[in-house]
Amino acid sequence: AQKITQTQPGMFVQEKEAVTLDCTYDTSDQSYGLFWYKQPSSGEMIFLIYQGSYDEQNATEGRYSLNFQKARKSANLVISASQLGDSAMYFCAMSRDYGGSQGNLIFGKGTKLSVKP
Amino acid sequence: ETGVTQTPRHLVMGMTNKKSLKCEQHLGHNAMYWYKQSAKKPLELMFVYSLEERVENNSVPSRFSPECPNSSHLFLHLHTLQPEDSALYLCASSQQGAWTEAFFGQGTRLTVV
Repeated sequence: AQKITQTQPGMFVQEKEAVTLDCTYDTSDQSYGLFWYKQPSSGEMIFLIYQGSYDEQNATEGRYSLNFQKARKSANLVISASQLGDSAMYFCAMSRDYGGSQGNLIFGKGTKLSVKP
Repeated sequence: ETGVTQTPRHLVMGMTNKKSLKCEQHLGHNAMYWYKQSAKKPLELMFVYSLEERVENNSVPSRFSPECPNSSHLFLHLHTLQPEDSALYLCASSQQGAWTEAFFGQGTRLTVV
């Protein structure tokens, strides 16, 4: 069975510094997709970044990068130059139907990131 | 208009009431989803609709009844709910068969009293 583990319930980071949010996964599938979403207090889940299992390069989107280590089954999110608006819950997720219904996701429990001024 | 819109944003209902949650997507997607987010639990997938047909129902109690009249709209009909059903209900949409992400709405915060 697929599983996503986020071991950091809460993290603090100083404004303008970088922070790494951990995510490990378990799957027997050869082909899979990993996603990170941000959830502010308003409730909306905001897509941040995506990594396919066959992608050889780590995904990057602006200040977000995904440190994908396939052998270790980890997909950590790195946020560079943290901003106050980055304070939110962050969820790592894996698609159960990769290449099909990409919204069919299994989520981790999330990490609450707090950015200090 | 935002990509995925959910109404209402907040709902308080009694256990004997019947209410419906609405989700509308303006992204041209053809797959839609309902998720439940309870306190201290990971997001749980409830229903998946692909091309307007229900393709997955994750053992959800029958007091939750989904409806997908077309590819842009998704409803969740609620009746005789329990207090433990209080949660944030999130709708999402994606393009079936595409290697792209799903987009979520802002959710409906449901309180059952």
